[in-house]
Amino acid sequence: GENVEQHPSTLSVQEGDSAVIKCTYSDSASNYFPWYKQELGKGPQLIIDIRSNVGEKKDQRIAVTLNKTAKHFSLHITETQPEDSAVYFCAARRRGGGADGLTFGKGTHLIIQP
Amino acid sequence: GAVVSQHPSRVICKSGTSVKIECRSLDFQATTMFWYRQFPKKSLMLMATSNEGSKATYEQGVEKDKFLINHASLTLSTLTVTSAHPEDSSFYICSAHRDITEAFFGQGTRLTVV
Repeated sequence: GENVEQHPSTLSVQEGDSAVIKCTYSDSASNYFPWYKQELGKGPQLIIDIRSNVGEKKDQRIAVTLNKTAKHFSLHITETQPEDSAVYFCAARRRGGGADGLTFGKGTHLIIQP
Repeated sequence: GAVVSQHPSRVICKSGTSVKIECRSLDFQATTMFWYRQFPKKSLMLMATSNEGSKATYEQGVEKDKFLINHASLTLSTLTVTSAHPEDSSFYICSAHRDITEAFFGQGTRLTVV
């Protein structure tokens, strides 16, 4: 099955600086890579996703890059703000005949220092 | 994004009782919903895949008689924790797929068994 590794587990950055979270996956058949933001006591919220036919996707301050050859993808947050503080999860889903469950990384606790 | 509503958000029950958690997709039809369990400061662990009109598919190690799943309609899946014990205390989260890839999560249910 799929295995997703996520690093770092904790990331502290100064407000205004950039934050980068990296994930690797094991199943070359995976073709969908979403990123979720989870605030304390709440369900994960989809913030950006990328499919395997695209190398990079950007949405305002958030971007995701995908390297299919190396099987890794990264989340980039620029001009970080206090409200960006949360736990971020990457995930991967393999190509299949139906909607398969996502395999999640272990999460990164992002702390934005004022 | 699409809206997935999960209820209740918190529940406290006595050991030996059963608890039902509902997951509804409010603005789209979801033929497949997923149930996850999350321990404190840990990632989401897929418990089961809920398919409308058919039996749920459970992940290895998840007791199907303990965690009963019913997906009676295209907008509602329920998870019933039967004969709950303190070790069942956890954060349970559902997700629904709007299409073959994009998943949206409910707010989560904090279950405490006393």
